[in-house]
Parts: sequence; C-alpha cells; structure tokens
Amino acid sequence: DADVTQTPRNRITKTGKRIMLECSQTKGHDRMYWYRQDPGLGLRLIYYSFDVKDINKGEISDGYSVSRQAQAKFSLSLESAIPNQTALYFCATSDTRQGYNEQFFGPGTRLTVL
Amino acid sequence: AQSVTQPDIHITVSEGASLELRCNYSYGATPYLFWYVQSPGQGLQLLLKYFSGDTLVQGIKGFEAEFKRSQSSFNLRKPSVHWSDAAEYFCAVGHTSGTYKYIFGTGTRLKVLA
Repeated sequence: DADVTQTPRNRITKTGKRIMLECSQTKGHDRMYWYRQDPGLGLRLIYYSFDVKDINKGEISDGYSVSRQAQAKFSLSLESAIPNQTALYFCATSDTRQGYNEQFFGPGTRLTVL
Repeated sequence: AQSVTQPDIHITVSEGASLELRCNYSYGATPYLFWYVQSPGQGLQLLLKYFSGDTLVQGIKGFEAEFKRSQSSFNLRKPSVHWSDAAEYFCAVGHTSGTYKYIFGTGTRLKVLA
C-alpha cells in the first residue's frame, strides 16, 4: 500500500462548487503539505502543517483552506471553485526527526473546474 | 529571496546519449538540494538528495548530481539515457532551518528519441 494517498485522483467540478481533497499518510510523519502544479510553474506551496495544531499559509493560499483532522490526515478545501484553480494537486509529508526535511509525495489529484 | 532556476524547459536526447539537466539556486547558505522525477500521470519520485559531505551524489536509476558551491549549481547527470527516462524533472531547494520549506524549479521536460 502507498504511504501517502490522495482522494479523489481525478475530479471535475463546476465554478462555485465546494470541493475537498483529502490526504492520508501511514508514514508517521508530523509535517504535511499541499502543493499545486501548473505547467511551466513547477510546484507551489499552498499550505503546510507541522502538527495538528500548527497550520501555516504557503505562497498561494488565497481561495483555499485546510484542515488537519489528525496527524495522518490533511484536507484541502476550495470553498468556491474557480477555473484558474484547475491544476494538479499534491500532498506531501516529512518527518521533523529526520532533520533535513525530505518530503514524500502522494500520487496527486487532478482537478478540473469548468 | 531564495529561488531555483531550471533554464531548460525542454530537452531532447537520443537513447544512449549522455544527459545533463541544469539547476541553479539562490540561497543564503548551503541548502538542502533535491532532484525529483515525474513520469507521465505519476507523482513525484525522489532521485537523489544532497545535505552535506561529498559533493557528488548518486541516486536511483543511474542518476548522479554534483553540488558546486562556487556556481550555486546542482546539475543532474546520466551517462546513458534510456527511453524510460522520458519524464519531467524538478530541482528543489530545501530550507535548512525554520520552516524547512521547499522551493521548486519550474521543471525540465525530457524527451528521448529511439
């Protein structure tokens, strides 16, 4: 089984709809991250969480919110989806005890907003 | 501000030829450095990482990278490319303290000719 899982893997929705992307991990890591990938722009950080009570905005958090329900679960919400949020979304985890913050990525969720 | 530059958006090589993908970074100290590969429709897989010590690091799938402090570079190399290496490659810089966040380059898409 994969260590970092994301659901759904693909989603098509309409403008104005609320969408939740979920991420679960079995690695026992304390840190979790949400990125979006756009062609030609690489990966950009949306939100990150160092533990259940510590959530921080990344470089492109506008229009997104997150919830860290447990150490193993980190959800990303789009309250009112818009077409320019069409992208590939990745969840990642890392372990503070490791020191150098190697991040492990999930398989991604492809979101299309019509 | 910290940044990562991958100057080549696309590279095409013939199977069996050597490969070098460029990565330059801007960071106040020696960062943590990573190369990831993303095969079509897949998530990100770590190829190799540099934290300290020997500046030539070996990774999976026959890849290696060399950290050159004087040039602020961390170029990825492979002596003989296989058709299965066709993918997108991302260089990333990790903060060495505090947030331990990553900054990703915009990626280089590799095409391999048979």
